[in-house]
Amino acid sequence: SQKIEQNSEALNIQEGKTATLTCNYTNYSPAYLQWYRQDPGRGPVFLLLIRENEKEKRKERLKVTFDTTLKQSLFHITASQPADSATYLCALGTMDSNYQLIWGAGTKLIIKP
Amino acid sequence: KAGVTQTPRYLIKTRGQQVTLSCSPISGHRSVSWYQQTPGQGLQFLFEYFSETQRNKGNFPGRFSGRQFSNSRSEMNVSTLELGDSALYLCASSHMADVETQYFGPGTRLLVL
Repeated sequence: SQKIEQNSEALNIQEGKTATLTCNYTNYSPAYLQWYRQDPGRGPVFLLLIRENEKEKRKERLKVTFDTTLKQSLFHITASQPADSATYLCALGTMDSNYQLIWGAGTKLIIKP
Repeated sequence: KAGVTQTPRYLIKTRGQQVTLSCSPISGHRSVSWYQQTPGQGLQFLFEYFSETQRNKGNFPGRFSGRQFSNSRSEMNVSTLELGDSALYLCASSHMADVETQYFGPGTRLLVL
């Protein structure tokens, strides 16, 4: 079966440390993968997109890696801050679904001061 | 530039009723997608409209329908509401020049009693 999975348990990280979130998928042929941030009571906000032929993408304190062999993307926030606390969603763009995004359920990140 | 707006923000209905939700995309965005989000579930794709035509549809029953107007504003309708329809309904718009990036509204939280 096809699915995309994120760690359902909240991730607690000490301020200043690097937070790493995982997104795994099965049985999809991805074209790209996106990461979004969602705060309570708000819609998701786009953060980064990485294509299937890219290994790594960076934006300020954010870094995304994409390993199509492992079928996994890692999302890193360096020098984490309490303001980074939110739920982070990954979404896969694939021809298998006519490029309609397939979404993970999200991982809640809590940065403790 | 104003973001995606959705109305109403909150709605309480009873089983069997119907509901209409509205979405105004970012100016210049002609694609509008609708999603259902429930706790612990990833965003579930409902449908996408582009230039007043439904371009893609997810796996939801026919009780869920939508339309798009010439000004790109979109509505979705749910008839014969069921308790399981309680969810956050999100609308997202995208621009032709960057179809992969979705800009979300704040959502409409629907509670069915």
